[in-house]
Amino acid sequence: LAKTTQPISMDSYEGQEVNITCSHNNIATNDYITWYQQFPSQGPRFIIQGYKTKVTNEVASLFIPADRKSSTLSLPRVSLSDTAVYYCLVGDRTGTASKLTFGTGTRLQVTL
Amino acid sequence: DAGVTQSPTHLIKTRGQQVTLRCSPKSGHDTVSWYQQALGQGPQFIFQYYEEEERQRGNFPDRFSGHQFPNYSSELNVNALLLGDSALYLCASSFELGNTEAFFGQGTRLTVV
Repeated sequence: LAKTTQPISMDSYEGQEVNITCSHNNIATNDYITWYQQFPSQGPRFIIQGYKTKVTNEVASLFIPADRKSSTLSLPRVSLSDTAVYYCLVGDRTGTASKLTFGTGTRLQVTL
Repeated sequence: DAGVTQSPTHLIKTRGQQVTLRCSPKSGHDTVSWYQQALGQGPQFIFQYYEEEERQRGNFPDRFSGHQFPNYSSELNVNALLLGDSALYLCASSFELGNTEAFFGQGTRLTVV
């Protein structure tokens, strides 16, 4: 089971780019890296997922180096509404089943 | 298109009682997972259902049980409630097993007194 380590908290000003790095030294060959966002009293929301190199969607970018032992979630020009907890997960697949293993996440606080 | 819906949204129960939480997956999804989230912690995996069978289970006692119906909806049952069972219970759905892109509901806030 690949464990992830990410900063407990980060602060940013509105309009800045935020990069949250996650380390996952024991990632397995078939594992994908997935990021979720969670607002208070809501369920987590899928942001982005990748296997290697770079993935970009309308919300964020995900950078994964060749050794895949870490990944960086990049949020361009954050706003106050991006204040949330961000979870980095490594896909845990047992046979054809899958479960999401959440850590404590990174609490991002965006201010004016 | 409705996303994942859970009911009820809030619930207060007394120690020793039993509770049933319900979940309807996102349209087109056939896999349902349940998570428990204590205050300040990340969600913890309880179990996952696919084709009406429990496919994978987390480190939770047998007091936690579930069911998936032919329409893919699911129930989570917790017997002999303890104070420590107070948490946000989240249901997540996805299409097929092995898919780590899941859609979560808003959760059911369970308080045990």
